[in-house]
Amino acid sequence: GAVVSQHPSWVICKSGTSVKIECRSLDFQATTMFWYRQFPKQSLMLMATSNEGSKATYEQGVEKDKFLINHASLTLSTLTVTSAHPEDSSFYICSAPHAGGPSTDTQYFGPGTRLTVL
Amino acid sequence: GDSVTQMEGPVTLSEEAFLTINCTYTATGYPSLFWYVQYPGEGLQLLLKATKADDKGSNKGFEATYRKETTSFHLEKGSVQVSDSAVYFCALSESGTASKLTFGTGTRLQVTL
Repeated sequence: GAVVSQHPSWVICKSGTSVKIECRSLDFQATTMFWYRQFPKQSLMLMATSNEGSKATYEQGVEKDKFLINHASLTLSTLTVTSAHPEDSSFYICSAPHAGGPSTDTQYFGPGTRLTVL
Repeated sequence: GDSVTQMEGPVTLSEEAFLTINCTYTATGYPSLFWYVQYPGEGLQLLLKATKADDKGSNKGFEATYRKETTSFHLEKGSVQVSDSAVYFCALSESGTASKLTFGTGTRLQVTL
């Protein structure tokens, strides 16, 4: 089936630095990808919708200047956490819908990236 | 706005026990409903889905029926296995392939021998 990968799987960084997380659709093209944030023992919260060839759409309350999203190609979206602080520590997950898959409503999720900001 | 409420866990069951995880939703339109499962160390995987009222989604022995009158989509399995231990998320999307998902908080299931 369709596979979505994320890199890195975990990252530890110092406060004030920037961190880039990649999300790739490995065997299908995705004009849209979604970025979620998952807090411990809580649900996934949608941060933004990444659109190939255009600007990302951010959910209310998400700082677009802090969480930079670039959908560079039909198989790659990146999330850059700029000037990271400890409160940005979280589990970040991306997903991509696969229009050509067995189900038109199916989204495929990456395994997630654990970010820890010291 | 849209929301999904599911029972809090963790749920601990013995192997072969019956499982129910409750899920109710609030939506403005006619959403599609999903159950996703997250095994330890892995990404979320679609378990089953239903796209309209009275539809029943099923997979791997799990079932859930889209109940519009009670706005519910409860997950059931008649006989759980240790390998079913995971976190289960109920979710909805308002429409279509590229629609964003609204998730419940997740329910951790632990099945013991």
